[in-house]
Amino acid sequence: DSGVTQTPKHLITATGQRVTLRCSPRSGDLSVYWYQQSLDQGLQFLIQYYNGEERAKGNILERFSAQQFPDLHSELNLSSLELGDSALYFCASSVEARSNTGELFFGEGSRLTVL
Amino acid sequence: DAKTTQPNSMESNEEEPVHLPCNHSTISGTDYIHWYRQLPSQGPEYVIHGLTSNVNNRMASLAIAEDRKSSTLILHRATLRDAAVYYCILNSGGYQKVTFGIGTKLQVIP
Repeated sequence: DSGVTQTPKHLITATGQRVTLRCSPRSGDLSVYWYQQSLDQGLQFLIQYYNGEERAKGNILERFSAQQFPDLHSELNLSSLELGDSALYFCASSVEARSNTGELFFGEGSRLTVL
Repeated sequence: DAKTTQPNSMESNEEEPVHLPCNHSTISGTDYIHWYRQLPSQGPEYVIHGLTSNVNNRMASLAIAEDRKSSTLILHRATLRDAAVYYCILNSGGYQKVTFGIGTKLQVIP
């Protein structure tokens, strides 16, 4: 158990819809990262938050947005969903905002299926 | 950013050692070499990391070439539970700059 909690574990929705994925980081971790993993693809970094502030953006579509709340949980909002958005979405947390030696702790992921 | 190259897949017999290679010929002096693994239906988990010297922990050993252009993750005695995708990544400025590739899918044969 990594200590990172993601909900929901599975989500099936239709094209054009909007969904929200939720992540609670490990206790004490201030940094939250979101990743997308499509079938047989590596992990694509989407966005990072640190202590409520956006810290870095990766390959995140304009239809996607995220935020981190004062209690440090984070939400990833995906709108105008397309078939190609079907993927596993992982949240990870770490203590620091920027570390080359620290560990990332990953949740078990949210599997999104867009029909 | 420096990239890594790994074989797409490898096989190992149970209870035998496994050597998972990673090439990173464009590594910079500040890049730490990290290994993560992703078990089926789970998120990735940290395995080990190092800079220049070989490293050991309870999960694995990391052997780093003298020129740092390659490294090898060593599982001393593979178990069925070690069947996973293993990612070799380089980190010098934080995970927001890290590229997780496709990794090496390790199959452990009973």
